[in-house]
Amino acid sequence: SQTIHQWPATLVQPVGSPLSLECTVEGTSNPNLYWYRQAAGRGLQLLFYSVGIGQISSEVPQNLSASRPQDRQFILSSKKLLLSDSGFYLCAWNMGTGAQPQHFGDGTRLSIL
Amino acid sequence: GQNIDQPTEMTATEGAIVQINCTYQTSGFNGLFWYQQHAGEAPTFLSYNVLDGLEEKGRFSSFLSRSKGYSYLLLKELQMKDSASYLCAVPNSNDYKLSFGAGTTVTVRA
Repeated sequence: SQTIHQWPATLVQPVGSPLSLECTVEGTSNPNLYWYRQAAGRGLQLLFYSVGIGQISSEVPQNLSASRPQDRQFILSSKKLLLSDSGFYLCAWNMGTGAQPQHFGDGTRLSIL
Repeated sequence: GQNIDQPTEMTATEGAIVQINCTYQTSGFNGLFWYQQHAGEAPTFLSYNVLDGLEEKGRFSSFLSRSKGYSYLLLKELQMKDSASYLCAVPNSNDYKLSFGAGTTVTVRA
């Protein structure tokens, strides 16, 4: 069966510091991969999605970036974090084309001080 | 993206029934998803409707009316563990990326 791993679970970072969040999927090949952010009490905002290695689409302008160095690895990065980057970051995957359910990792709660 | 609307909060008593409504506007319809999200946790997939009518899965059922742009999630025999946020999501017509509603927080009281 497929599983998705996301780490770390919790992260506290100072403003201006770099960021690297990692997500890996096991048990499948060539998944679609997604990064979302959820602000407190709000809906999910899609940040990036990827349909293959090295293929990244950005949904909103921001100081975050994403990379997919391997088929089942998706990384969310920032060179300099802002206070507004605080939130709950979720990685998700699904398969193929068409309307397929997305399955989420456990999330990373990021607090910027 | 899509325009998705659902109530912010609902409260119900243990053992009761609650119906969470979701209305959407989309240029092309590719079905509708419901997710459950407990506080501090990731969303988990509950149901997917693409045809009109009611789909039942144990205590949870989901209904769709494509002509009305309307869906609801019905939670029966409520349990305390059903206290969570319930998210309605609709795929884009061209690329199938999901647009999520803001979620409905359901609180179950004893």
